Amino acid sequence: AQSVSQHNHHVILSEAASLELGCNYSYGGTVNLFWYVQYPGQHLQLLLKYFSGDPLVKGIKGFEAEFIKSKFSFNLRKPSVQWSDTAEYFCAVNARGSQGNLIFGKGTKLSVKP
Amino acid sequence: NAGVMQNPRHLVRRRGQEARLRCSPMKGHSHVYWYRQLPEEGLKFMVYLQKENIIDESGMPKERFSAEFPKEGPSILRIQQVVRGDSAAYFCASSRTGTGVYEQYFGPGTRLTVT
Repeated sequence: AQSVSQHNHHVILSEAASLELGCNYSYGGTVNLFWYVQYPGQHLQLLLKYFSGDPLVKGIKGFEAEFIKSKFSFNLRKPSVQWSDTAEYFCAVNARGSQGNLIFGKGTKLSVKP
Repeated sequence: NAGVMQNPRHLVRRRGQEARLRCSPMKGHSHVYWYRQLPEEGLKFMVYLQKENIIDESGMPKERFSAEFPKEGPSILRIQQVVRGDSAAYFCASSRTGTGVYEQYFGPGTRLTVT
């Protein structure tokens, strides 16, 4: 069965610090990969996605993620975080060619101190 | 250009009552997904529907839960005889297609509290 692991439950950073959130998935075939963000009291918004091509993908708000197929990883990065990045971040996967659902990790809460 | 709409945003039910959650997909989207988010957990898939068809309900509890997406109107997630453990945030997502390369857009969720 497919699964997604996010290594950090809660990350606390100061503004301007660099961010890297880990995401690993288990599935042997071709996958679509996503990072979603949920700001306090709001719904999930798509940060970025990877379908194919360049494994380094850029998303909104200065976020990027790198797909490393050999490591089954899709880590999220941002060079310099802002207080407004305080949110919960979810990695999600679905198997290419399958129908339907996304498999989500448990999420990582990011708190950025001003 | 409205996004995915869900209502109500908050729903309080007593144990034993029924809960009905509604989801209107984005314009042009005919695929709807329901997810449940329990406290301190990620989203768990429940059911995937197209108009008038349930495509995958592998994540639905076997009893008390049902979902539909009629030809006209919103998708409905129905929970009969709610129990405290049903308290959660229920998110609906929609997509234009359901296979290959696509992304799902999420609604604001319905937060169900069972007292």
